[in-house]
Amino acid sequence: EVQLVESGGGLVQPGGSLRLSCAASGFTVSSNYMSWVRQAPGKGLEWVSVIYGGGSTYYADSVKGRFTISRDNSKNTLYLQMNSLRAEDTAVYYCARYHMGFDAFDIWGQGTMVTVSS
Amino acid sequence: QSALTQPASVSGSPGQSITISCTGTSSDVGGYNYVSWYQQHPGKAPKLMIYDVSKRPSGVSNRFSGSKSGNTASLTISGLQAEDEADYYCRSYTSSSTFGVFGGGTKLTVL
Repeated sequence: EVQLVESGGGLVQPGGSLRLSCAASGFTVSSNYMSWVRQAPGKGLEWVSVIYGGGSTYYADSVKGRFTISRDNSKNTLYLQMNSLRAEDTAVYYCARYHMGFDAFDIWGQGTMVTVSS
Repeated sequence: QSALTQPASVSGSPGQSITISCTGTSSDVGGYNYVSWYQQHPGKAPKLMIYDVSKRPSGVSNRFSGSKSGNTASLTISGLQAEDEADYYCRSYTSSSTFGVFGGGTKLTVL
């Protein structure tokens, strides 16, 4: 079965760090464009970051310099290292596969909640 | 990069048809046929419903259809059912952003 399972969310103080994980099954992370998309409480979807199959990485301006996307090919897992967290980073974080043939996100994880608060 | 513009809410009765619009610019919706639509039920992950403006992934009901005219894309749901009540988001490739842009979302209420 093709699926993504996120973990690592939680409560963190402003300025703190957190690492999210996204374990994939049924397909190979390193052969796909993999992305993180977040959704603040009661708000819409916001793209955060992407890693291409070749390893290139890109970020939304709102997280550039603070977040780092990476993957472990041996574990078929995607990561998002989040540093210098701010209250406005509070959101549900989804990992998603970007299907190049569809030009769309076709597989989504269930999401993991990150709350930045003192 | 501003989000694509969607109506905040739409509603319809069971069996009726509704259309949700998604307005952008010539740098995104109007310039490329890379518009996708996502359905999101409360507390759930988004689900891909339409890609490349009008194509349906396997398993998506043919009651869902997409189209585009100029800088505005549209999602039409025919034969509304109670289970269609959800939030809907459009997304487009854009030449002015790294990895596309989402719409602000539309809440569909089935009366």
